[in-house]
Amino acid sequence: QQQVKQSPQSLIVQKGGISIINCAYENTAFDYFPWYQQFPGKGPALLIAIRPDVSEKKEGRFTISFNKSAKQFSLHIMDSQPGDSATYFCAARGNTGNQFYFGTGTSLTVIP
Amino acid sequence: NAGVTQTPKFQVLKTGQSMTLQCAQDMNHEYMSWYRQDPGMGLRLIHYSVGAGITDQGEVPNGYNVSRSTTEDFPLRLLSAAPSQTSVYFCASSYSGRGSSYNSPLHFGNGTRLTVT
Repeated sequence: QQQVKQSPQSLIVQKGGISIINCAYENTAFDYFPWYQQFPGKGPALLIAIRPDVSEKKEGRFTISFNKSAKQFSLHIMDSQPGDSATYFCAARGNTGNQFYFGTGTSLTVIP
Repeated sequence: NAGVTQTPKFQVLKTGQSMTLQCAQDMNHEYMSWYRQDPGMGLRLIHYSVGAGITDQGEVPNGYNVSRSTTEDFPLRLLSAAPSQTSVYFCASSYSGRGSSYNSPLHFGNGTRLTVT
């Protein structure tokens, strides 16, 4: 059973547009929600993360919006660039702190 | 600074063979873990360790063994490979004993692509 549900599976955006990836979870004990970016042939790398007591976190062109009551969070990429083309994973940390649950990933393509 | 190093990069096994995937980190991280990445499934935790001599199971531990004799190394053993273990395997580490924190993200290696025929 997928603990973190992620959509869409793939996304094509024009250069300069906004990319939005959504995730949802059920376990209210999750206490940390990171997003990872993965390029082909490489391991995932942390992009941005948020705590559940914060509704929004922004780092440059990347923003996480977090809705605790709806148990949903999303990644917004403003002014999307071709270099942003990658696979993005949302994740959630379990309450023991030692287990992470990842979404199924979103393949983003930014067209020049 | 090498970070997390995984070897080999590619491996082909026949059903029933055994092998060890190597993972080493040079960041003095307490926490180390193994994930498998499959299309449409995301990353799933196999085993993890919060320090030398301590290991525990993740979501999908069956068919895999681990040990942690040193802080730096965390090998993953397949005792009898099966086609269902065809996957890309990632090792990840973190300074925090809690697996990761806001100031200590998971650092991933570049993966081992394993094919079992």
